Amino acid sequence: KAGVTQTPRYLIKTRGQQVTLSCSPISGHRSVSWYQQTPGQGLQFLFEYFSETQRNKGNFPGRFSGRQFSNSRSEMNVSTLELGDSALYLCASRPSSYNSPLHFGNGTRLTVT
Amino acid sequence: AQRVTQPEKLLSVFKGAPVELKCNYSYSGSPELFWYVQYSRQRLQLLLRHISRESIKGFTADLNKGETSFHLKKPFAQEEDSAMYYCALGTDKLIFGTGTRLQVFP
Repeated sequence: KAGVTQTPRYLIKTRGQQVTLSCSPISGHRSVSWYQQTPGQGLQFLFEYFSETQRNKGNFPGRFSGRQFSNSRSEMNVSTLELGDSALYLCASRPSSYNSPLHFGNGTRLTVT
Repeated sequence: AQRVTQPEKLLSVFKGAPVELKCNYSYSGSPELFWYVQYSRQRLQLLLRHISRESIKGFTADLNKGETSFHLKKPFAQEEDSAMYYCALGTDKLIFGTGTRLQVFP
């Protein structure tokens, strides 16, 4: 099976812009989670989608949003970018149950200047 | 509050030495615990989970509910074990610790 695929791999944006990141989960996986990874904070949970519905949400401002499509592919959007949004954004998928292991993509590295 | 603590940012050992990466968690329910590993230039991947009680690449981890710990151990470290290790707590979401970088010197 193909692994979790994230596009693009790298992005450079300026403050105030918005950005959309894409994630294709492993075939058959219905749950997609998003994490922000930074050197200081480690992996911070953003949100999880299951069957096109947001199942859980972390403590991020409303500028961070996401959605999931009927084929389980997911997108994450960040509006009004700030310098502090520079990070590696990881997407992970799993079949369905809450405690099944996550399978991670390679991430999208976002740099905000 | 649900939380995972990995007190060491960096752990350096010589090849052949024993390794213990510490992980403590805070959770009032019955925990589901994992160790993930990220090798250089590779994606984050599952190393082991407590429910499986397996030994993967020589690593083991025992859940101690009394001490709320899930430390990762290996009796003899290898150079290829050098990586970033994350402990994670599974509740309604997966909560990660801040990670420990393991450096194994020849």
